Amino acid sequence: QKEVEQNSGPLSVPEGAIASLNCTYSDRGSQSFFWYRQYSGKSPELIMFIYSNGDKEDGRFTAQLNKASQYVSLLIRDSQPSDSATYLCAVNARYSSASKIIFGSGTRLSIRP
Amino acid sequence: GAGVSQSPSNKVTEKGKDVELRCDPISGHTALYWYRQRLGQGLEFLIYFQGNSAPDKSGLPSDRFSAERTGESVSTLTIQRTQQEDSAVYLCAYPPLDSGANVLTFGAGSRLTVL
Repeated sequence: QKEVEQNSGPLSVPEGAIASLNCTYSDRGSQSFFWYRQYSGKSPELIMFIYSNGDKEDGRFTAQLNKASQYVSLLIRDSQPSDSATYLCAVNARYSSASKIIFGSGTRLSIRP
Repeated sequence: GAGVSQSPSNKVTEKGKDVELRCDPISGHTALYWYRQRLGQGLEFLIYFQGNSAPDKSGLPSDRFSAERTGESVSTLTIQRTQQEDSAVYLCAYPPLDSGANVLTFGAGSRLTVL
């Protein structure tokens, strides 16, 4: 079992709709959770991080964390063609000090006009 | 990211040669990470540094891989006797000082091609 699992996609969503990206993790002791966006040929860039159960909103993005079920999701509202990218979920055992951060293999999102 | 420079940006080498990849962050960043990303794949953790020590080097694929860091400055990743499966983009990352300890900013990467 992979430590962090994501559906590789591609996930195709019409422009203006909500894109929903999911991620599950195996280490129940994980403390911090991240979503990164990676455009083709570029390095990953952080979208959001979340530490507590529940929802965290930032603009069109909402991260959702459920530690009991060991999953974290990212919702993108009013999807735009510029949101087309690979979205990487990352998980860390700690939130206050540096430690190993494990990434999923990513979900490719395509927003169709 | 603007806070870290990686070199070379592209490296083509022959199988069996040694290569050295360099990561040069803005000084003062205690933690530094190395990841590998093969074409079409996710990020594979290699090693992270806290200062010049490496608390977790569990991701290094084999004893052909080694990494070191000088204080809170430059880090080098060395791959000896390169193999074709080593072809990938090698990414260096660090947590910016004004963010959480585990929020990473990535360099542009070093693309390694082993012929």
